[in-house]
Amino acid sequence: KNQVEQSPQSLIILEGKNCTLQCNYTVSPFSNLRWYKQDTGRGPVSLTIMTFSENTKSNGRYTATLDADTKQSSLHITASQLSDSASYICVVADRGSTLGRLYFGRGTQLTVWP
Amino acid sequence: EADIYQTPRYLVIGTGKKITLECSQTMGHDKMYWYQQDPGMELHLIHYSYGVNSTEKGDLSSESTVSRIRTEHFPLTLESARPSHTSQYLCASSRGGGQGAFNDEAFFGQGTRLTVV
Repeated sequence: KNQVEQSPQSLIILEGKNCTLQCNYTVSPFSNLRWYKQDTGRGPVSLTIMTFSENTKSNGRYTATLDADTKQSSLHITASQLSDSASYICVVADRGSTLGRLYFGRGTQLTVWP
Repeated sequence: EADIYQTPRYLVIGTGKKITLECSQTMGHDKMYWYQQDPGMELHLIHYSYGVNSTEKGDLSSESTVSRIRTEHFPLTLESARPSHTSQYLCASSRGGGQGAFNDEAFFGQGTRLTVV
C-alpha cells in the first residue's frame, strides 16, 4: 500500500532556531517527492520537488534531502521565523499511472514562538 | 503566485441544499484536481480531469460531481448537502502531458471551507 508517514506530528521551536522534519514513504514506482507549506486556512504552496537522482535541494532557508534507497526525506529549516509557522506536507508522486498520482502525508504542524 | 482561484472561501449551508464550488485557473493547465481535507488529516483525491470533457473519480468516494467544459474551469457540485460533507475542499492544477507530467508542479487554490448544518 502506498503510504507517506511524517514525523513529528507537531513541533514547537523558538524563533531563530533550526529544525528538521522527517518523511518516510512506501510509494512505488517512485517519481518524485515534494514538500509543501500550508498556512492555516489556505492551500498548500510548493517548496521543493526532487526526483530519484536528486539528493538535496534548497529554497532559501528550506533544504530538502532525499534518500531514495531508504525511502526517506527530510526538510531542514534554518534560522526559523514567525512566518514559518504552518503545516509542512510531504507529498510523493508515483509513475505507475498516467495521472502521476500524488500521495500526501498528514503534515507536521510547526509553531515558531518569539 | 499561483493563478488558481476558488470561490467561495467559506460557505455555511443547510442540509439538502444544492451547492457548487467554483475553481478557475489562468495557467492553461490540462490537469485539474479536487481534494478533500479534514483538520489534521491528509488530502484525499476526490475528482480529477485530464482536459476538456475528461473527468474521473479519485481515491475517496464522494457524492459530488464535477464537469470540465472549459480548460480553465472545474466546478464541483453537491446535489444535496449533508453534515458529513463538512470539510475543506482544495482545487489544484498542473501542466500535464508527456513524460515530464510526473514532475509537474501542482498549484493549489486557497480552498473552500464548507460547513453543512
